[in-house]
Amino acid sequence: NAGVTQTPKFQVLKTGQSMTLQCAQDMNHNSMYWYRQDPGMGLRLIYYSASEGTTDKGEVPNGYNVSRLNKREFSLRLESAAPSQTSVYFCASSVPGHGASGANVLTFGAGSRLTVL
Amino acid sequence: KQEVTQIPAALSVPEGENLVLNCSFTDSAIYNLQWFRQDPGKGLTSLLLIQSSQREQTSGRLNASLDKSSGRSTLYIAASQPGDSATYLCAVTEGSGTYKYIFGTGTRLKVLA
Repeated sequence: NAGVTQTPKFQVLKTGQSMTLQCAQDMNHNSMYWYRQDPGMGLRLIYYSASEGTTDKGEVPNGYNVSRLNKREFSLRLESAAPSQTSVYFCASSVPGHGASGANVLTFGAGSRLTVL
Repeated sequence: KQEVTQIPAALSVPEGENLVLNCSFTDSAIYNLQWFRQDPGKGLTSLLLIQSSQREQTSGRLNASLDKSSGRSTLYIAASQPGDSATYLCAVTEGSGTYKYIFGTGTRLKVLA
């Protein structure tokens, strides 16, 4: 059972280049998330998808776009990368619920380390 | 705006010691609170989830408590081991039907052999 898989694990970009981070989960979770983690800032939510076909902005959406391709896959795109987007990006998923076992527990991928020069 | 704080930022303890990690949040209207562990260079692993109606949850040597009225949660680790060395983060969700988890910046724990 792979859980949440992110690709690539590492990427170096030049300012202005574009790229897409891929995320896939095999747990049949409804909700998926993209976070960035920066030293001293904790994890900040970029975008989330409560269910297939919906996406919403999080705390720091500027400079990013997302696509919920299907229930399994949620991609994050940087159209024109900037040095301020140097970070570690995490994808996560969960199944919503009210008290059911495992409901709302976030499962994270291993992360994608992005450097923008 | 909900803010989550974890103090101290770092902690070193000798092996075998019982310890408490703290998490504070500014808005008591939370739906649940989760504690996570993060090893260096890795993703986060959920340790315990406490629903807003619960007071505590236990898993093995870990016990998490929640006091909504005071905006505090603690993670108690019994008989600490070097393998417990990691960063521990807490996160809250703001209400039923919302999916925005607000994270603290974590406490980096080192257990000395």
